[in-house]
Amino acid sequence: AQKVTQAQTEISVVEKEDVTLDCVYETRDTTYYLFWYKQPPSGELVFLIRRNSFDEQNEISGRYSWNFQKSTSSFNFTITASQVVDSAVYFCALRGLTGGGNKLTFGTGTQLKVEL
Amino acid sequence: EAGVAQSPRYKIIEKRQSVAFWCNPISGHATLYWYQQILGQGPKLLIQFQNNGVVDDSQLPKDRFSAERLKGVDSTLKIQPAKLEDSAVYLCASSPTGGWTGELFFGEGSRLTVL
Repeated sequence: AQKVTQAQTEISVVEKEDVTLDCVYETRDTTYYLFWYKQPPSGELVFLIRRNSFDEQNEISGRYSWNFQKSTSSFNFTITASQVVDSAVYFCALRGLTGGGNKLTFGTGTQLKVEL
Repeated sequence: EAGVAQSPRYKIIEKRQSVAFWCNPISGHATLYWYQQILGQGPKLLIQFQNNGVVDDSQLPKDRFSAERLKGVDSTLKIQPAKLEDSAVYLCASSPTGGWTGELFFGEGSRLTVL
C-alpha cells in the first residue's frame, strides 16, 4: 500500500520568510515517482515538480527548492522569500509503478498562508 | 491551449437526488481521471479512462456512482442517489498519451453540496 503523510495542516508566515513543507511517504515499490502540486483558491491543482526514486539530486527552481531523501522517505519543499501569491494548499503525491496507470496517492495537504 | 473544462462549478442538491458532472479534457489527451476531494483531504481517484476504456475504477462506489467516456473525449460522472457524504469537489484531470511525464492537468472542479 502507498501512503503520503503531510503532518503540517496549516502554516502561516510573513512575506519574505522562508518556509519548508514536509512530506513523508511509504511504498513497497523500488521504483516510484514523487510530486508536488499547488492548489490555489481557484481550486485547480497545478503541477510543480516530479522526482523519480533513482534521482536524489536536489533541485532549485527560482524561489522553489526540493529536498529528496530516500533514506528517510522524505520529499520536502522549500519556498524562499515567500510571497502572498504563494498562499495555497500544497499537496505531495506518490505513484508507484506496480499500481499501474497514472494513479496518484495524495497527502492531505498543507495550507500555506503568507501575510504582509 | 485550452485547459480542462468542467461544469457545473457548483451544485446543491437534496440527498437521494441525482447529479451529473461533465468534463472536457485537453485536446489530444487520451487519459482522463475523476478525483473526489473531500474538504480537508487530498484528492482520491474514483476512475481512470484510457481513451474510452476503464483502466481503474477500484475506488468508485458503483452502487451510486457511474462514469462514461463514450467517444474517448469528454466524460460524464453521475451520482444517483446522492448521500450527504458525497459532498465534495469533483476534479477532472487529463494526461497525454505515450511517454508519461507524470504531470496531470486538472480542471477547476465541480463543488457538490448535498443537503
